[in-house]
Amino acid sequence: EAQVTQNPRYLITVTGKKLTVTCSQNMNHEYMSWYRQDPGLGLRQIYYSMNVEVTDKGDVPEGYKVSRKEKRNFPLILESPSPNQTSLYFCASSLTRLGTQYFGPGTRLLVL
Amino acid sequence: ILNVEQSPQSLHVQEGDSTNFTCSFPSSNFYALHWYRWETAKSPEALFVMTLNGDEKKKGRISATLNTKEGYSYLYIKGSQPEDSATYLCALGSGNTGKLIFGQGTTLQVKP
Repeated sequence: EAQVTQNPRYLITVTGKKLTVTCSQNMNHEYMSWYRQDPGLGLRQIYYSMNVEVTDKGDVPEGYKVSRKEKRNFPLILESPSPNQTSLYFCASSLTRLGTQYFGPGTRLLVL
Repeated sequence: ILNVEQSPQSLHVQEGDSTNFTCSFPSSNFYALHWYRWETAKSPEALFVMTLNGDEKKKGRISATLNTKEGYSYLYIKGSQPEDSATYLCALGSGNTGKLIFGQGTTLQVKP
């Protein structure tokens, strides 16, 4: 089944404790993105990747890092999480640049 | 900074009513306009991706139109059903930035 998977689905952590949210897609898509969703603000793009080893900042990249060492994986790294990073995070992939986004199930993060 | 506006923010209709929402965007550097349907506790799912001025797309009772010159897209739902209750998101793909900018969404509630 074609899908985008994310882990973990739910995470509670404390300020400053490094964490990684994994994202994997099995559709051989070139493009992958991370978004965060906050009430009243809609989905905002954090980072996107056009191919292996090629990434670029979205609208809200501060406090986040990404890597794309393999085509299928695009982990999101929070080196020192802060409470303002409490949010719902979605990973997505697409076949073409600005093509249909296929979203993962979401990761709900709470930073205390 | 690109801004994508959706109206109305929320809408309550009776089963059987037809309804429509608006997505407004800056027309410069237009590349693609996406519509997604997002049900509570699920991930956004693609409805349409439109790229050409005058594009019209249809999926069942849902259809969309695009006017890139004046910077708007309409989403229509004919004969709304309770299962149409969801948040409808539009997103602008800008050829200049390679980013996808989402609107805040229109939340539709269809009462039986």
